[in-house]
Amino acid sequence: SQKIEQNSEALNIQEGKTATLTCNYTNYSPAYLQWYRQDPGRGPVFLLLIRENEKEKRKERLKVTFDTTLKQSLFHITASQPADSATYLCALDGQLNTGFQKLVFGTGTRLLVSP
Amino acid sequence: GAVVSQHPSWVICKSGTSVKIECRSLDFQATTMFWYRQFPKQSLMLMATSNEGSKATYEQGVEKDKFLINHASLTLSTLTVTSAHPEDSSFYICSATRIRQENNSPLHFGNGTRLTVT
Repeated sequence: SQKIEQNSEALNIQEGKTATLTCNYTNYSPAYLQWYRQDPGRGPVFLLLIRENEKEKRKERLKVTFDTTLKQSLFHITASQPADSATYLCALDGQLNTGFQKLVFGTGTRLLVSP
Repeated sequence: GAVVSQHPSWVICKSGTSVKIECRSLDFQATTMFWYRQFPKQSLMLMATSNEGSKATYEQGVEKDKFLINHASLTLSTLTVTSAHPEDSSFYICSATRIRQENNSPLHFGNGTRLTVT
C-alpha cells in the first residue's frame, strides 16, 4: 500500500542546533516533493519544493534533500529558533486527478525548539 | 501575494443542520480549489477538487451529497456540510492555485475552519 511516513513523535531540540526531519514514502514515484509548515489551528504554509532530479535545495536556514533510491527526503533547519516550533508536513504528488495534481500529505512531525 | 481567506474560522452547530464554509482567493484568480479535512494528529486528506464553473471531483469515500461544493467564480468556492453529524467534526481547509496547476506548483492554503457538531 502507499504510505508517507513522518516521525509522529515530537522532535525537541535546543535553540541554535540543527533540526532534521524525515519523510519516507512507499509505493510512490513522485516527480517532486514539497515541505509545508503548519501552526496549531492554521492552514499549512509552503516552504520548499524539490524535484526528483535535484539532490538538494536550500532557502535561507532551510535545506531539503531528496533521495529517490532510498525513497526519502530530509528537511533541515539550521540555527533553529523557538519561532521555528511548528508541525512540518511533507507532501508529494500522488496520481494525477482529472489532469490536476493531487498532493498527498504525511502526518507531520512536530518540532519544539526550546530557548 | 497568493492570499487565501477562509470563513468562518470556527463554527459550532447542532446535529442535523447545515454549515457553509467559504474560501476566497484575495489577490489572484483561482481556477482550481481543493478542499481538505484534517483530524487531530492526522494528515490532510483531500476531499474534492473544485474547478470554476464545473462540477467538483470528489475523492473516493467522500459523499458528494453530504459535502456540497460550489465554485461559482474565480475567487470563491464554498463547501456546505449538509445534515451535519458529530462525526463530521473536523478541521476543514481549502487551498487554491492561480492557474491550471502545473505538476509542481505549491498550494496556497486558507487558515481552516474548525467545525464542531454537537
